[in-house]
Amino acid sequence: EIVLTQSPGTLSLSPGETATLSCRVSESVSSTYLAWYQQIPGQAPRLLIYGASSRATGIPDRFSGSGSGTDFTLTISRLEPEDFAVYYCQQFGSSPRYTFGQGTKLEI
Amino acid sequence: QVQLQESGPRLVKPSQTLSLTCTVSGGSIHSVDHYWSWVRQHPGKGLEWIGYIYFSGATYYNPSLKSRATMLVDTFKNQFSLWLSSVTAADTAVYYCARDVYSYFYFDYWGQGIPVTVSS
Repeated sequence: EIVLTQSPGTLSLSPGETATLSCRVSESVSSTYLAWYQQIPGQAPRLLIYGASSRATGIPDRFSGSGSGTDFTLTISRLEPEDFAVYYCQQFGSSPRYTFGQGTKLEI
Repeated sequence: QVQLQESGPRLVKPSQTLSLTCTVSGGSIHSVDHYWSWVRQHPGKGLEWIGYIYFSGATYYNPSLKSRATMLVDTFKNQFSLWLSSVTAADTAVYYCARDVYSYFYFDYWGQGIPVTVSS
C-alpha cells in the first residue's frame, strides 16, 4: 500500500507569509494522479490542485503545486486569513486506489 | 454547478447496516467521465476512501473494509448509495460523497458530509 506522509504536521505562519507544505509518497507515483485539498473545520474538502500542478477552477494563483516521483509540494504565497485550514494530499494508484496524507494544519 | 447531497440515518446500532444515499444535481450521474465515490473522516482524523461506482454499476472498494461495503447506482433518480454492514464504533465518522474525475482520479465536487454515529 502506498503511504503519503505530509510535513510538517502543523505550520504556524502569519498573513502575508509563504507556506510550503510537503507530501512524500512511499513509492514513485505519476504526477498526473497527485492532488491537493483544503479543508476548513466543519466543511467538506475543496480541491485545490490536480495533476500535481494544475489549479482547480476558481483557485487563486497564490496556490501552486510542484513535484514529481515521490516528493510533492504545495506552496501558498501571500497568505490570507481564509487560508488557515488543514491541507491534504491524495494519490491514485494501486490498492486501495486512493490514499490521502494525514494532513498539515496551517495555523496563524 | 454540480451539487451532491448525502442523506440517511445519523445513528446506527452496532452490528447493523449503515445506509446512505447521495443525490446528484446540476449534472448527470450517467457520465463516462466520472466515478462516484464515498469518503469518510473519523472524528478529528484524516480522510479514508471507501469505494467508487461507475454509472454502469461497476464498483471498486477499499480492501480495508473487508467486504462490508456495497454500492449501487440509480441513474433514473441520479443517486448512488452506500451500505456498510456489521458496523462498530470504529465506523463512526462523517461520510462524504464525491465526484471523481476519470483519468486524473481526483475529487472535484463533494457533498457537505453527513455525521454518522454507531452506538446502542
